[in-house]
Amino acid sequence: SYELTQPPSVSVSPGQTARITCSGDALPKKYAYWYQQKSGQAPVLVIYEDIKRPSGIPERFSGSSSGTMATLTISGAQVEDEADYYCSSTDSSSGNPNWVFGGGTKLTVL
Amino acid sequence: EVQLVESGGGFVQPGGSLRLSCVASGFTFNIYSMNWVRQAPGKGLEWVSYISSTSSSTYYADSVKGRFTISRDNAQNSLFLQMNSLRVEDTAVYYCARDEGDYYVHWGQGALVTVSS
Repeated sequence: SYELTQPPSVSVSPGQTARITCSGDALPKKYAYWYQQKSGQAPVLVIYEDIKRPSGIPERFSGSSSGTMATLTISGAQVEDEADYYCSSTDSSSGNPNWVFGGGTKLTVL
Repeated sequence: EVQLVESGGGFVQPGGSLRLSCVASGFTFNIYSMNWVRQAPGKGLEWVSYISSTSSSTYYADSVKGRFTISRDNAQNSLFLQMNSLRVEDTAVYYCARDEGDYYVHWGQGALVTVSS
């Protein structure tokens, strides 16, 4: 089955740039999506279609994709950005669509 | 304001059944596809099932295929997940989520399903 691979954890100091990667064989052909999830809350979409930012998401959140890797970048990370981040994409190699999430990356800002 | 409210979670023994509901408001329910996504305690997100706006297409993760059934009632603005032959590994918070085209902006608050003997 299709997999998206993320690092388990990333740690930065406040004001530094945090980069979270997501690796998947189909990413050259499929969009990546990124979700932020804080403890006890539902996920929040922060990036869609590789690079687009939903309304209400701070400009410090940006996305990029090259080859088999998508990257979420948080420029000038804030303490409130500490959360779990999940990438997501789709896979149709089995004939039916399958929506896949990466394993998640815990971002620590301290 | 878009709202999705799940209900029907609870405690069930292995092999048992449970039916989750999700009531939608604040948008035209019958033009959107819907999904169920779950999260086991301390684990990551897992897509479970998809249903198109008219119920003409349904898809399931391999982990639940043959055991779970997704359905909807557009007249009642409601989404359902019938879960049969439940396993311990089905223990999770189940979220309903509105489909925006391969991603989700609007999620419910989640319903906890615990499968244990």
